[in-house]
Amino acid sequence: GAGVSQSPSNKVTEKGKDVELRCDPISGHTALYWYRQSLGQGLEFLIYFQGNSAPDKSGLPSDRFSAERTGGSVSTLTIQRTQQEDSAVYLCASVGTGYLDTQYFGPGTRLTVL
Amino acid sequence: GEDVEQSLFLSVREGDSSVINCTYTDSSSTYLYWYKQEPGAGLQLLTYIFSNMDMKQDQRLTVLLNKKDKHLSLRIADTQTGDSAIYFCAATTGGFKTIFGAGTRLFVKA
Repeated sequence: GAGVSQSPSNKVTEKGKDVELRCDPISGHTALYWYRQSLGQGLEFLIYFQGNSAPDKSGLPSDRFSAERTGGSVSTLTIQRTQQEDSAVYLCASVGTGYLDTQYFGPGTRLTVL
Repeated sequence: GEDVEQSLFLSVREGDSSVINCTYTDSSSTYLYWYKQEPGAGLQLLTYIFSNMDMKQDQRLTVLLNKKDKHLSLRIADTQTGDSAIYFCAATTGGFKTIFGAGTRLFVKA
């Protein structure tokens, strides 16, 4: 596609429910990142994919968080048993194969856990 | 590991110059970036500089890099209300991980 898209744009859920966030990277981009942006905070790195594999999952805050990527394209971030502290904007970015590691960001999913 | 720090707020009058500062810790950082985030949107690359450069100018934007002090700045000339946004400084050593600062929120007063 023309850019990185994320869905849903907004998600309101109740504490304890599971949520799935989706990211569609730019076609042909091999690397994909998930970040979390809490109010007034910078970007917190969550996980990175190169193709379908995730060499670094160290940023995932707890075992309630998981992510997968299939076909080297779409990625889903799943949060199980959501907590109020999970409320944040979840941003996805993809990187092409150029010499400059420019990250192209999606508009984010705003997650609110009540 | 790498740490990137920047001040959280900056307020300027329309027409003035804005200078947003950033410091980083990893002297082996190869690329340094400035991203802009407008309300409700993701980050967008504004400009970048290679570590072997001291300065880069792009229209109203000037990036200065002091490698000795590990200090990066972004100057916006003739700041407009449309420049109001959050500006993120970021650094990478060429590996997969880019480290972002917390972002500087720029307010432009008319």
